[in-house]
Amino acid sequence: KQEVTQIPAALSVPEGENLVLNCSFTDSAIYNLQWFRQDPGKGLTSLLLIQSSQREQTSGRLNASLDKSSGRSTLYIAASQPGDSATYLCAVRQYAGGTSYGKLTFGQGTILTVHP
Amino acid sequence: GAVVSQHPSRVICKSGTSVKIECRSLDFQATTMFWYRQFPKKSLMLMATSNEGSKATYEQGVEKDKFLINHASLTLSTLTVTSAHPEDSSFYICSAGLAGGPEQYFGPGTRLTVT
Repeated sequence: KQEVTQIPAALSVPEGENLVLNCSFTDSAIYNLQWFRQDPGKGLTSLLLIQSSQREQTSGRLNASLDKSSGRSTLYIAASQPGDSATYLCAVRQYAGGTSYGKLTFGQGTILTVHP
Repeated sequence: GAVVSQHPSRVICKSGTSVKIECRSLDFQATTMFWYRQFPKKSLMLMATSNEGSKATYEQGVEKDKFLINHASLTLSTLTVTSAHPEDSSFYICSAGLAGGPEQYFGPGTRLTVT
C-alpha cells in the first residue's frame, strides 16, 4: 500500500526566503507525482506534475524534482511571498495500466506561512 | 480549460437526512471521477472512483450504502450522503480526469455540516 509522507508538517519563514518542501513515497512504481496548493476552505490548485520518466518541472518560482528510485520529491519555492502562504500537498498516482487511472495517494501536507 | 465545479459549496443538514453533492466537468468529458473526503488539517482520503455508466469502486472502509455515488453522464457525478450523522461532517472534494490523460482536475469542494 502506497504511503506518502511530507516534511515538515508546518513551516514559517520571512518573506524573500527560498524554501524546500519534502515528499517521500514508499512504492516507487508510480505513474506521476503532482504538487498541489490548497488555500483554507478551498479546493486544490495543481502546481506541477512530474511524469515518472521526468526528473523535474519548473513553473515560475516553483521547481519540483523527482527521484523515483529513492521515493522522493522536493518542491522548491524561490523568493517566497506572503501570497504563497497555503497548504502544499504532494500526491502520487500509481500506474494502473491500459487506459484506466491509478489512484492518487496524498501526503498530509505542509502548512506554509510566509510573513512580511 | 478543464474546469470542475461542485454544488453546493456549503450545506448544513439535520442528522438523519440525506444530502446530495454534484460534481460537474464544465468543459470536458470525464470518463472517471473521484470523490475525496478531507478532515480538518488532514489530507485527502479517496472514498471512491466512479466510471461513467458503471458502478463506483469504493475504498476499503467506505460504506457504499451510506455514500451513494452515481456517474450517469460524462459530465456529472453525484455523491449522496444518506442518513447523515454529525461524524459525516467534512469537506468533500471531487476530481475528474480526461480520458487517457495523466491529470485529475479538482473541484472547489463542498463543506458539509450535519447538526
